[in-house]
Amino acid sequence: DAGVTQSPTHLIKTRGQQVTLRCSPKSGHDTVSWYQQALGQGPQFIFQYYEEEERQRGNFPDRFSGHQFPNYSSELNVNALLLGDSALYLCASSRRAESETQYFGPGTRLLVL
Amino acid sequence: SQQGEEDPQALSIQEGENATMNCSYKTSINNLQWYRQNSGRGLVHLILIRSNEREKHSGRLRVTLDTSKKSSSLLITASRAADTASYFCATGLNTGFQKLVFGTGTRLLVSP
Repeated sequence: DAGVTQSPTHLIKTRGQQVTLRCSPKSGHDTVSWYQQALGQGPQFIFQYYEEEERQRGNFPDRFSGHQFPNYSSELNVNALLLGDSALYLCASSRRAESETQYFGPGTRLLVL
Repeated sequence: SQQGEEDPQALSIQEGENATMNCSYKTSINNLQWYRQNSGRGLVHLILIRSNEREKHSGRLRVTLDTSKKSSSLLITASRAADTASYFCATGLNTGFQKLVFGTGTRLLVSP
């Protein structure tokens, strides 16, 4: 039974570019949440997708957008990249939106130069 | 923004010793969870305690929750070198959709 998978593992972009990160939830899970973790900090909630709709959003600008597909996988898109967007991006899945426990993927490390 | 602070920020102990980490939070919660993170990779769920519980055990882990003080502690007994990692508390507030709000983390180093 595969856990949460994310791709790519690492990514290097330059300021102003756009990036798409991908996440496949754990088998049987239908809800995907995205978190940003800056170096030395705890993860911060970006948004959550359930039934292909954004259900909750953290304090992130509109440059951050997402999508959930019918197979429950999800994408995180970031436009007009800033140096401050450099971070580890974590995807977490759960069986349903109100489920207490979320299972995290290994993350995508994004470096913006 | 972070929900709260974890204390200490870093902890260094010898194998076999106990490690205690504390977490404080700011708002009402439904549950509080502890996660471990190795070398800046994904987080592993360790234990969950609900707001109506005061103490919970799982193997070598013991978690306490004091909702009146808005604080929690994680105790790892008989620590091992493999316990070296960063530990984060995360609070959950279920409003139909649950998001986790993480603390700042404690870096634990267990030396052989």
